[in-house]
Amino acid sequence: ETGVTQTPRHLVMGMTNKKSLKCEQHLGHNAMYWYKQSAKKPLELMFVYSLEERVENNSVPSRFSPECPNSSHLFLHLHTLQPEDSALYLCASSQAAGYGYTFGSGTRLTVV
Amino acid sequence: EDQVTQSPEALRLQEGESSSLNCSYTVSGLRGLFWYRQDPGKGPEFLFTLYSAGEEKEKERLKATLTKKESFLHITAPKPEDSATYLCAVGGSEKLVFGKGTKLTVNP
Repeated sequence: ETGVTQTPRHLVMGMTNKKSLKCEQHLGHNAMYWYKQSAKKPLELMFVYSLEERVENNSVPSRFSPECPNSSHLFLHLHTLQPEDSALYLCASSQAAGYGYTFGSGTRLTVV
Repeated sequence: EDQVTQSPEALRLQEGESSSLNCSYTVSGLRGLFWYRQDPGKGPEFLFTLYSAGEEKEKERLKATLTKKESFLHITAPKPEDSATYLCAVGGSEKLVFGKGTKLTVNP
């Protein structure tokens, strides 16, 4: 399988739940990103990993916790979310930080 | 600070009515300017990368051009299936900086 794969595609969770989003890339890229996209808003950068090291954390609340165990996998661990966290969460990868991205299809998250 | 401004925010065209989308940018050390297409509920799909002023790229009905301050995405004789949000981004440092996008609607 090629490209950037995100799972699950859809997720509904209660405010007290703990869940994780998964992203996997088979492109040999060295940088991976998490973005949040809310309705009628631009893409919001959450985290940047370059060579498995976090290089940017864009003032994201601690209820979002990223993990990058290797250059092919990226996780976003979620706990005690709020309804305003409902959004499309997009993973992307690039050859190196700051170069063109390949995006996954996203996870549509609904917090109830 | 790198910045990207896209205009218009929304554009409605009749099928076959050609037009252009604008992306104005400021960046320190341009690594590339990128155009993406995004359909509702899906991730952005890569269209073009432009690296230097004067460069042009084409794909079907789309043509992207680049100057030192802006890029245009020209749409020739659009079809309803071209309806989407078009995103522009510039690469200059550790990440791409995205514009807010132009939502294009092409009516049959």
